[in-house]
Amino acid sequence: TQLLEQSPQFLSIQEGENLTVYCNSSSVFSSLQWYRQEPGEGPVLLVTVVTGGEVKKLKRLTFQFGDARKDSSLHITAAQPGDTGLYLCAGPTSSNTGKLIFGQGTTLQVKP
Amino acid sequence: NAGVTQTPKFRILKIGQSMTLQCTQDMNHNYMYWYRQDPGMGLKLIYYSVGAGITDKGEVPNGYNVSRSTTEDFPLRLELAAPSQTSVYFCASSSSGRAWNEQFFGPGTRLTVL
Repeated sequence: TQLLEQSPQFLSIQEGENLTVYCNSSSVFSSLQWYRQEPGEGPVLLVTVVTGGEVKKLKRLTFQFGDARKDSSLHITAAQPGDTGLYLCAGPTSSNTGKLIFGQGTTLQVKP
Repeated sequence: NAGVTQTPKFRILKIGQSMTLQCTQDMNHNYMYWYRQDPGMGLKLIYYSVGAGITDKGEVPNGYNVSRSTTEDFPLRLELAAPSQTSVYFCASSSSGRAWNEQFFGPGTRLTVL
C-alpha cells in the first residue's frame, strides 16, 4: 500500500521566517503534486514535479523531488500571512485514471 | 466558467437518513472524483469516474454510491447515514487520467451526522 507522510503536521511561525515541509514515502512515485487549501475551500494545485532531482520555483516557494522519487519538499522563503493554509502532497496510484493518494497535510500559520 | 460546484455547502443528517451530494463541472472533463477529508487527515478517495456511465470504487467506498449519467454531473449518495460519515466531502474533476494532470476541486460539503 502506498503511503505519503508529511512533516511537520503543524507549523506556526512569524512573518519573515523560512520553513520547509516534507513529504516522504517508501514507494516510488512517477510524479508528486503539492496542493494548497484555504479554510472553507477546496485544494488548489501549486506544482507538479515529475523528474527525480527536479527543482521548481514559484515566487518564494521552492519545490524539490527526491532523486529516488520517493520524497519531496516545499521550502518557503520569508513567509507571509497570505501563505497561511493547509499544504498537501499527493501522488498517483495508477497511470491512467488520475487516482491520487494524499499526505495528511501540513497546517501552516504565519503570524504578522 | 464556474468550474466545479457542489451543493449543499452544509448539511446535518440524523442517523439512518439518506441524502445526495451534488457535483457539477462545466469544463467538459471526463474524469471526476469524490473525496472525504477528516480533521488532521488528508483526502481519501471514495469513488471515481473516467467518463459518463463508468464508475469505480476508491479507497473508502463503503456506505456510499455514485452514478454518472452525464459528463457534467457526478452525484454521491449516502443511503443510511452513520456518525462515521461526518466529514467534509470534496468533488474534483480532471481533463485526463494522466498521473501529472491537475485536479480541480469544488468548495466542499460539510456533513454532520448526529
